[in-house]
Amino acid sequence: QVQLVQSGAEVKKPGASVKVSCKASGYTFTNYYMHWVRQAPGQGLEWMGIINPSGGSTNYAQKFQGRVTMTRDTSTSTVYMELSSLRSEDTAVYYCTRDPLYESSAYDIWGQGTMVTVSS
Amino acid sequence: DIVMTQSPDSLAVSLGERATINCTSSQSVLYSSNNKNYLAWYQQKPGQPPKLLIYWASTRESGVPDRFSGSGSGTDFTLTISSLQAEDVAVYYCQQYYSTPQWFGQGTKLEIK
Repeated sequence: QVQLVQSGAEVKKPGASVKVSCKASGYTFTNYYMHWVRQAPGQGLEWMGIINPSGGSTNYAQKFQGRVTMTRDTSTSTVYMELSSLRSEDTAVYYCTRDPLYESSAYDIWGQGTMVTVSS
Repeated sequence: DIVMTQSPDSLAVSLGERATINCTSSQSVLYSSNNKNYLAWYQQKPGQPPKLLIYWASTRESGVPDRFSGSGSGTDFTLTISSLQAEDVAVYYCQQYYSTPQWFGQGTKLEIK
């Protein structure tokens, strides 16, 4: 079945970096964009950026420019989101989710989420 | 950026009654070349990722009960639950996918009265 499986929870100190993975299965990896969305505790959904798994091009929300890097490995159908210079406000659940390359559309499949805690 | 605003922030409805959630975008999300509204609705229950309910403003995702419906065009949209069930208690988000950044609304918390 179609699924996105994310890496496990992380605890990081302020100033450190975190790299979260999202492994896709059950569909053609390069036919769908991958987005990253985060959710701070008790808060709403925040779009972080998008990667095209086919060519690797990315587009990040301005808020995260310079701190976020999204990459992919087509050999393992995995995308990665690395966030640097972590601060307490980055404590959140991070989700990967997909939408089709052929036409911008809504996000039909989501990963289970990865909790990232930033604490000294 | 296209900013999404939902109303109300929270809503309490009796079982079997209608629930209505509104969403307004700061710019039109109607793409004139295909006449599609790039607007989706998601449901999120505690401890779970969001679930897609409605896309293209009014198309129900496969498996979503028909008591959920979406309407609207341009900048004003509505999610309606025709007869509230206990399992519908959740937070609901609208989202535009017309352009990046693909912002979400702030969410509407739906509870049972």
